[in-house]
Amino acid sequence: DTGVSQDPRHKITKRGQNVTFRCDPISEHNRLYWYRQTLGQGPEFLTYFQNEAQLEKSRLLSDRFSAERPKGSFSTLEIQRTEQGDSAMYLCASSLPSADNYGYTFGSGTRLTVV
Amino acid sequence: AQSVTQLGSHVSVSEGALVLLRCNYSSSVPPYLFWYVQYPNQGLQLLLKYTSAATLVKGINGFEAEFKKSETSFHLTKPSAHMSDAAEYFCAVSEGGGSNYKLTFGKGTLLTVNP
Repeated sequence: DTGVSQDPRHKITKRGQNVTFRCDPISEHNRLYWYRQTLGQGPEFLTYFQNEAQLEKSRLLSDRFSAERPKGSFSTLEIQRTEQGDSAMYLCASSLPSADNYGYTFGSGTRLTVV
Repeated sequence: AQSVTQLGSHVSVSEGALVLLRCNYSSSVPPYLFWYVQYPNQGLQLLLKYTSAATLVKGINGFEAEFKKSETSFHLTKPSAHMSDAAEYFCAVSEGGGSNYKLTFGKGTLLTVNP
């Protein structure tokens, strides 16, 4: 297993279009997280899953955003009717839930540009 | 609510000089603290983590950090900077001990290493 994989690496879309990103976590990790990072800022939490259950969503995740993890493996993050303010790096991370493991493994991110 | 403040958005050092990146946190419960490094257009890589064991934590690439509860600090140091250390560094806090490992990140410190 080579780590957390995100696809695509870059996405340019026109305002108003829908986009979907995919994240493949490390296979034995049952926790999966999505973060958003805008220029000059640290990553901000969006949502996380334990297996297929979405356990928490940030208020940053507006109604236009939806995340799924249907079989507890890969996850998708969809943004509907994109806006210029959605331009950011979207980071996925995964982890084990055990008390001995703190710290995620991050993917390389998907950079979204809305024009 | 937990929060992180990184003092200095940009730190510049000469190759071979001491690196000191500052991080102060706020947490209502005993924190778990992390330092991550991010290279351009990449995801975040874990440097080190504090999870209530030894207060002096050693990480990868010669970095270490000391947890000081009285000062609510977790500063990152490296005795001798190398050109390859040039990157952005993020401090993060998690209210660990429970089932929620959501991380709150600081805004980051860009480290420049001059030859």
